[in-house]
Amino acid sequence: AQSVTQLGSHVSVSEGALVLLRCNYSSSVPPYLFWYVQYPNQGLQLLLKYTTGATLVKGINGFEAEFKKSETSFHLTKPSAHMSDAAEYFCAVTSSGGYQKVTFGTGTKLQVIP
Amino acid sequence: NAGVTQTPKFQVLKTGQSMTLQCAQDMNHNSMYWYRQDPGMGLRLIYYSASEGTTDKGEVPNGYNVSRLNKREFSLRLESAAPSQTSVYFCASSEQRINEKLFFGSGTQLSVL
Repeated sequence: AQSVTQLGSHVSVSEGALVLLRCNYSSSVPPYLFWYVQYPNQGLQLLLKYTTGATLVKGINGFEAEFKKSETSFHLTKPSAHMSDAAEYFCAVTSSGGYQKVTFGTGTKLQVIP
Repeated sequence: NAGVTQTPKFQVLKTGQSMTLQCAQDMNHNSMYWYRQDPGMGLRLIYYSASEGTTDKGEVPNGYNVSRLNKREFSLRLESAAPSQTSVYFCASSEQRINEKLFFGSGTQLSVL
């Protein structure tokens, strides 16, 4: 079985401050990990994904995430928050062994304070 | 650049009514999915279709049925709507390879009174 846990359903940061959104996963086999973003009244869009290889993954809009197997974590960061980053962020996991079946975390709403 | 198209965008039903949510994708993807999104619970998989002609239950299939009409279309049917089915429903599609991203529609907001 696979699962993800996102710590903090709401996170507030000041504009220009570091963004850190936490995600821990559980998977019995090597995982594939994703971060998706959802802007109000829209569907989810992929920010970045980890499959294999380099553990630091760069995504769109200046976001990046680091896969740490020893900590079973895949935290999302951005050095400097922008007002346009206000959205809900979802961590997701899928694993090998068949066709794609993605499990999502419960989401973290990011508020950016001017 | 249509991507994944869902209809309708909004729907209000009375308890016991039935309806079908429609989804179509134009990216020639093999795999399609239906998720529901509820506050504090993230997205939960209702049903998925790995390829044309196949469907499988996800995490929360009770009260729903699906049809993979062809490669493009994947519909979700509520036979007898219940208030617990009030939610936002998302259709998604992807290539069949395990690490491919999901492409989402814009969602259907359903209220069951």
